[in-house]
Amino acid sequence: GAVVSQHPSWVICKSGTSVKIECRSLDFQATTMFWYRQFPKQSLMLMATSNEGSKATYEQGVEKDKFLINHASLTLSTLTVTSAHPEDSSFYICSARDLGDEQYFGPGTRLTVT
Amino acid sequence: RKEVEQDPGPFNVPEGATVAFNCTYSNSASQSFFWYRQDCRKEPKLLMSVYSSGNEDGRFTAQLNRASQYISLLIRDSKLSDSATYLCVVPDSGGGADGLTFGKGTHLIIQP
Repeated sequence: GAVVSQHPSWVICKSGTSVKIECRSLDFQATTMFWYRQFPKQSLMLMATSNEGSKATYEQGVEKDKFLINHASLTLSTLTVTSAHPEDSSFYICSARDLGDEQYFGPGTRLTVT
Repeated sequence: RKEVEQDPGPFNVPEGATVAFNCTYSNSASQSFFWYRQDCRKEPKLLMSVYSSGNEDGRFTAQLNRASQYISLLIRDSKLSDSATYLCVVPDSGGGADGLTFGKGTHLIIQP
């Protein structure tokens, strides 16, 4: 089946620094990737839709200047959390869509901002 | 506002029992629905897709009631390994081409 990887799997950073998370589709090309965030005991919330070669579409309430998304190729999307703060600590999960409608999820990145 | 509502549980069920959860959704335009399983601190994994009135896969049965806008998941002969959080998921558009709206999940604990 389709495999999506994320890197890093977990990261601890200091407040004010920026963190980049990579999402890769390993065995298929993904024109669309999605970024989700999940806080403890909460559901996954869609942050943004990333389309290869164009600007990402952000959900209401998600700051595009804080969460920078780049989808430069059909197999790679990156999410950069800029000037991270403790409230940005969360589980970030990407998903990638192949030619069908199914989305395949990455293993997630656990971010802790101290 | 698109919403997906689930009973968070936890549901404590003895091994071998049958358990069912419901999920209600607000987006009446939705054409497909999904049940995902999420283990603690892991990514969600697709369990079942529901495109018409229902779907069955082994011990798992999903049913869709469009008139009442709810989806159910039935697990028969439950196993210890079924312990997880079950997420009801509805695409933001008619299919899965857009993002997904997740319910908060129903926590299931199968007891020996």
